[in-house]
Order: sequence, then C-alpha cells, then structure tokens
Amino acid sequence: DGGITQSPKYLFRKEGQNVTLSCEQNLNHDAMYWYRQDPGQGLRLIYYSQIVNDFQKGDIAEGYSVSREKKESFPLTVTSAQKNPTAFYLCASSPPFVQPQHFGDGTRLSIL
Amino acid sequence: AQKITQTQPGMFVQEKEAVTLDCTYDTSDPSYGLFWYKQPSSGEMIFLIYQGSYDQQNATEGRYSLNFQKARKSANLVISASQLGDSAMYFCAMRGLTSGTYKYIFGTGTRLKVLA
Repeated sequence: DGGITQSPKYLFRKEGQNVTLSCEQNLNHDAMYWYRQDPGQGLRLIYYSQIVNDFQKGDIAEGYSVSREKKESFPLTVTSAQKNPTAFYLCASSPPFVQPQHFGDGTRLSIL
Repeated sequence: AQKITQTQPGMFVQEKEAVTLDCTYDTSDPSYGLFWYKQPSSGEMIFLIYQGSYDQQNATEGRYSLNFQKARKSANLVISASQLGDSAMYFCAMRGLTSGTYKYIFGTGTRLKVLA
C-alpha cells in the first residue's frame, strides 16, 4: 500500500545538537510538506516543496532546514538554532491537483 | 491572503447525537478545495471529507457531511450519530487551485468530546 513513512517515531535531542527527521513517500506525489504541532495547537507550516530540488519556507522556517534531492524523500533537519524544538512533527504529501494531503504518523521530538 | 477560522476550541456532544463543527474561510481564489481532518490522541491525521468550491451538492461520507454555504464562506462539518471513537481534534483546511501554490491552510482546530 502507498503511504508516507516518518522515522523515528520518538527522537531526543541534546542541547546544541542537530537532528534529522526522515520522511519518505511512495505515492508518487510531487508536493511534500513539514508541519510542527505544539500540544493542543494547530499545524504550522515549516517548509514545503512542490518539485524536486525546490522548496519554500513556510510560516516558521527559522531554525529548520530541508532538502529535496529525490521525489520520494523530504528530510527535515532541526538545527541548534531552533531554541524550542520540542513538538510533534508531521510530514505530508499531495498530488498537484486539489486533493487531500496524505500524512505520516509523525515524530515526537523532545529535548534532553 | 487565505485564512481558515474555527471558533470553537472545544465541544461536547452526547453519544448518538449529531454535532456541527464550524469552519469559515477567506480566499480570493475563485477555485478552491475544503477539507476536514480528524486527529485522535495518537496523533495521526485522518482525512474525512472534501468539498470543491464548484461542487453543486454538499459532500457526504458515511456519518460525515459538509454543510457548504459558499456565499457565507462557511464549510461546517456535521457528524451524525456520534460515537465515543469520534472524540478527537478536528481540523478544517483549504487549498486554492488557481494561485499556483500547493500550500494548504489549516484552522486552529476544535476538540470534540463525545459523552457516554
């Protein structure tokens, strides 16, 4: 079955450390997205990519970086510049026409 | 600019009753899609229902229906015969078609609690 795989499910980061969250999709979707969700809050867009080798900043891109070298993969790096990275991170993908996004199961990131 | 507003932070409903979750939107895009997602406490986002801006009829999917009032820019989700498993966070979302961007706009969500 097609879908989106996020790994790991739980991730712990030490102060000053960069960590990378993985997102892979086999839906052949052009567009991919990263969202951050804080407890009891909505989704905030970090970065999105409409095509390979291209991506745009979302509403809260500071302290994060992404790459899109393959259609299937859109990893998110949480850098040490992100001072409050503890959150739930969701990856999504969508086809080019107006259809629902597909979401991964998320990664919960915590600071040690 | 596009915006989604969900004015109900939390809602309670008795089991087997119907409940309406409100969603209003703002967009200058003449063609757009509206979506509702359910997020249980486990965190995954579950797609529920979709309404296109040019659809003549309100969308329905099982116990879910979308009360689409284009002139009022509202897209309320109606859940009939509520079940305990419907307790979750619900998000309304929108994406424009002609703006050229693949960006989806989400509301802040409504937390629904179904009472036994």
